[in-house]
Amino acid sequence: ILNVEQSPQSLHVQEGDSTNFTCSFPSSNFYALHWYRWETAKSPEALFVMTLNGDEKKKGRISATLNTKEGYSYLYIKGSQPEDSATYLCAFDSSNTGKLIFGQGTTLQVKP
Amino acid sequence: DAGVIQSPRHEVTEMGQEVTLRCKPISGHDYLFWYRQTMMRGLELLIYFNNNVPIDDSGMPEDRFSAKMPNASFSTLKIQPSEPRDSAVYFCASCGPSSYNEQFFGPGTRLTVL
Repeated sequence: ILNVEQSPQSLHVQEGDSTNFTCSFPSSNFYALHWYRWETAKSPEALFVMTLNGDEKKKGRISATLNTKEGYSYLYIKGSQPEDSATYLCAFDSSNTGKLIFGQGTTLQVKP
Repeated sequence: DAGVIQSPRHEVTEMGQEVTLRCKPISGHDYLFWYRQTMMRGLELLIYFNNNVPIDDSGMPEDRFSAKMPNASFSTLKIQPSEPRDSAVYFCASCGPSSYNEQFFGPGTRLTVL
């Protein structure tokens, strides 16, 4: 059974704080690691697809890093804003099966 | 492209009734996924198709659930008979051959079984 773990489960920060969360995944049979942003009452939206060890991706104030050898990825948000409040999901793809294994997500609440 | 389309967006039905959820994937995508979101279990994969063929249905909770994909542009998820514990948001997602399996989600169908 492939396990994808995310921590912390939830996070409350003040506007302007920078924050980061972790996604842990199996270090064997790696194909890709995905990050999704999921706002309440909406559907998950893709943030990043990461495929190579050492990958770093950035979109505005959000960035992510990838370490496939040790099986983890970090998502960073610099200067959090209330509109960043959402659940952030990571998903692991092993060996290009098409099937993503999702973590349980980290729910971020940014207070103004 | 309009993205993944799901219908209906909301469905309220009574226990014992048949429910059919519909999905139109993004044109050109060869994978289609059905997920269920609940408070207890988060996002669960129910079944997925590749080129209209079911590949893995191990997430389908029981025989009351069935899914079909008669062609590349349409899929249904059917629950018969429905039960209150089936109340959840059901998402459909699709992905294409050249996107590292990045999945694009539809807006979801919120199902309430009374």
